[in-house]
Amino acid sequence: EVQLLASGGNLVQPGGSLRLSCAASGFTFSSYAMNWVRQAAGKGLEWVSTISGGGSGTYYADSVKGRFTISRDNSKNTLYLQMNSLRAEDTALYFCAKNRDSGRWNLPFDYWGQGTLVTVSS
Amino acid sequence: DIVVTQSPDSLAVSLGETATINCKSSQSVLYSSNNKNYLTWYQQKPGQPPKLLIYWASTRESGVPDRFSGSGSGTDFTLTISSLQAEDVAVYYCQQYYTTPTFGQGTKVEIK
Repeated sequence: EVQLLASGGNLVQPGGSLRLSCAASGFTFSSYAMNWVRQAAGKGLEWVSTISGGGSGTYYADSVKGRFTISRDNSKNTLYLQMNSLRAEDTALYFCAKNRDSGRWNLPFDYWGQGTLVTVSS
Repeated sequence: DIVVTQSPDSLAVSLGETATINCKSSQSVLYSSNNKNYLTWYQQKPGQPPKLLIYWASTRESGVPDRFSGSGSGTDFTLTISSLQAEDVAVYYCQQYYTTPTFGQGTKVEIK
């Protein structure tokens, strides 16, 4: 059974940093691109970032480019999101999600974690 | 970025009737080399993460009831929920993955 468990969300001041983690199990982690998607309270979904299975390819939304860094440790089956220079508008529930198929980075997301809450406020 | 716009923002449908949600992309998401539309539909219920319903615009994900169907090509797409059930109350999102992913704003489906 595929499981994605996101953690690391917290209350942080504007300008601060946070690192999110997503522990994966139930599939061959290194074969699949992985994603972060966020959702502000009562709002829609916003894609944040994608990383290829091997980790060499990374992609970012313009809203986080230069501030967030996606990475993965395939030996630990874990996905990360390093978030720097946080802003109030980054406040959201952050989901990690798995690509449905291996290979390409731009594919649908078939499994999602429950999310971890990031609140940026003074 | 490709802008994805859904309509309507919300709709109320009687049990057993059909719900139709539209999704329009600002440019074609049909990839000519494989003739596939890079468009997917998700269902999100309160307090839950999204669930994949339809991908490649019309392929139903395993385990999804056949009352859910997707259609369309290029820039215009439709999600149809036939014979609406109480458990279908949710927000539905379309998403393009032709380029860096973008989601529609969501359509809330309620029971009339």
